[in-house]
Amino acid sequence: LAKTTQPISMDSYEGQEVNITCSHNNIATNDYITWYQQFPSQGPRFIIQGYKTKVTNEVASLFIPADRKSSTLSLPRVSLSDTAVYYCLVGKRLNNAGNMLTFGGGTRLMVKP
Amino acid sequence: DTAVSQTPKYLVTQMGNDKSIKCEQNLGHDTMYWYKQDSKKFLKIMFSYNNKELIINETVPNRFSPKSPDKAHLNLHINSLELGDSAVYFCASSQEGASGYGYTFGSGTRLTVV
Repeated sequence: LAKTTQPISMDSYEGQEVNITCSHNNIATNDYITWYQQFPSQGPRFIIQGYKTKVTNEVASLFIPADRKSSTLSLPRVSLSDTAVYYCLVGKRLNNAGNMLTFGGGTRLMVKP
Repeated sequence: DTAVSQTPKYLVTQMGNDKSIKCEQNLGHDTMYWYKQDSKKFLKIMFSYNNKELIINETVPNRFSPKSPDKAHLNLHINSLELGDSAVYFCASSQEGASGYGYTFGSGTRLTVV
């Protein structure tokens, strides 16, 4: 499984755009990049997934350069409720018993008023 | 509501006891998982299970055993509890073979061993 490296923590203010970068130098050809969000006392929640270039949904955007050795999760105009831990994962896209998600330490985002 | 539900939400018990955590999913998913989140917030996979195979993370002590009465349930049984077992345990599910648009996690069970 490709190892991921992301900042331990980040601070931001309400209304700002937040970009969290994840490094995954050993990503395999058929690996996808997936981001999860975890609020205190809750399980992780899927945010976005991509393979290359840019993916956007109602929550976030995911930017992946051509070499795919890193990715950036972009949260537009964050609010206090975006305070959470954000995990970057790299692995196969298909879900099966042998494809167990491996989480790193995540990035603790603190959004301040 | 469709979800992954775990019980109990909190569990405090003494060292040496045996305890179980229950997990149920009504999403119709084929595969279920157990994760352990320690005090440093690292999420570690413990088990992956569907009706075809059980995959165990080799670092998990054999005091931990998953039990699945049916496809919708995957319970976690822990024998001879130790202080180091204190953590938050998350159950999750996914649809086998489906494109990976996410695993669905339960809200966790906080286990405290005293």
